[in-house]
Amino acid sequence: EIVMTQSPATLSVSPGERATLSCRASQSVSSNLAWYQQKPGQAPRLLIFGASTRATGIPARFSGGGSGTEFTLTISSLQSEDFAVYYCQQYNNWPLTFGGGTKVEI
Amino acid sequence: EVQLLESGGGLVQPGGSLRLSCAASGFTFSTYAMNWVRQAPGKGLEWVSSIGGGGSTTYYADSVKGRFTISRDNSKNTLYVQMNSLRAEDTAVYYCAKARDGYIYDYWGQGTLVTVSS
Repeated sequence: EIVMTQSPATLSVSPGERATLSCRASQSVSSNLAWYQQKPGQAPRLLIFGASTRATGIPARFSGGGSGTEFTLTISSLQSEDFAVYYCQQYNNWPLTFGGGTKVEI
Repeated sequence: EVQLLESGGGLVQPGGSLRLSCAASGFTFSTYAMNWVRQAPGKGLEWVSSIGGGGSTTYYADSVKGRFTISRDNSKNTLYVQMNSLRAEDTAVYYCAKARDGYIYDYWGQGTLVTVSS
């Protein structure tokens, strides 16, 4: 099983600042990596797939990078609606696995 | 507009069974793989099971293999999961999720809560 490790667990930032979230895979997942955003009481929402491709309707302030085992999600200028928990997920190998999440808080 | 609506959750005793359903609309259901993903209270996301568009290919997490059975009825645009021998650790919100290519979850339902407790 591929273990996905996200860091930090919690990221405290101010509105307008840049946030960089990390996700590491225990073995290569190529570019088969997605990022999701989840707000309290809501279902997750797809942000990024293929490590760097924004999903439909996702603002350009969200960007993804990396390949192999190291990945990042960058939010260039945090808006109030971006405070949430972010999960990475690999879909290169079964079982599909998620990281433990990074909470972005004010 | 894609819509996924789960139902069937509730309180069940350890060792009991439950069947969850997910009614889909707004897309050609039979074309896409479908998935169940769960989230225990206050915890992260855990993939549970996936099924191909035709229904013949299925995958399970080790934690549910042999106890859960995923299925779909393409004539009814509905996804199911039959959950048997339920344990306390199966307590979670269960989400139905549509997969675009590569088992990327592009649409999610609102979730249904399953509580396993005596």
